[in-house]
Amino acid sequence: GQQVMQIPQYQHVQEGEDFTTYCNSSTTLSNIQWYKQRPGGHPVFLIQLVKSGEVKKQKRLTFQFGEAKKNSSLHITATQTTDVGTYFCLMGGGSNYKLTFGKGTLLTVNP
Amino acid sequence: ETGVTQTPRHLVMGMTNKKSLKCEQHLGHNAMYWYKQSAKKPLELMFVYNFKEQTENNSVPSRFSPECPNSSHLFLHLHTLQPEDSALYLCASSPAGLAGVAADTQYFGPGTRLTVL
Repeated sequence: GQQVMQIPQYQHVQEGEDFTTYCNSSTTLSNIQWYKQRPGGHPVFLIQLVKSGEVKKQKRLTFQFGEAKKNSSLHITATQTTDVGTYFCLMGGGSNYKLTFGKGTLLTVNP
Repeated sequence: ETGVTQTPRHLVMGMTNKKSLKCEQHLGHNAMYWYKQSAKKPLELMFVYNFKEQTENNSVPSRFSPECPNSSHLFLHLHTLQPEDSALYLCASSPAGLAGVAADTQYFGPGTRLTVL
């Protein structure tokens, strides 16, 4: 079956530093989505990537989908305290419907 | 507010109790989901309903029984739970359609924090 790895599990940064989280799949994906969950909150959709090699930006956030459609990254430039939370990838794979969440990366930011 | 509501927000129950979690979506979506979120574990997909039909059951124990009377409402009936079932139970919905749900954006409710004593 499809195996998903998301790293790192935790990341603590000083405000202003950059942050990156990675998701890797053992199988080729049809799409990948990224979600953010604030402490005590629920996951909120950030973006979806569908095309091989796709790069999308949302202000300080940059999302990439690998050429082989097996991995993806979320990069935050110059973190702010409002970026605190857990970032999850949701991987959609194969011809059959199959959704798998990554374990998430908990980001904490020191002001 | 995402348009997905869940009640109750908190629930404490004994192992012999029977309770139900309710989810309602006001987005006109066709698919609804139940997830379990435990500490230090990834989100676990439990059930998926698409056009009121169950399309996914990820080997969930029978003490969890879902019900989807229509595309706007989803229930999770609980009975004889175990302490390890304590978790945040999240409901989500997505537009879906005849092509399926694999590429859908999901809209999550606030969750029900369940504690089993």
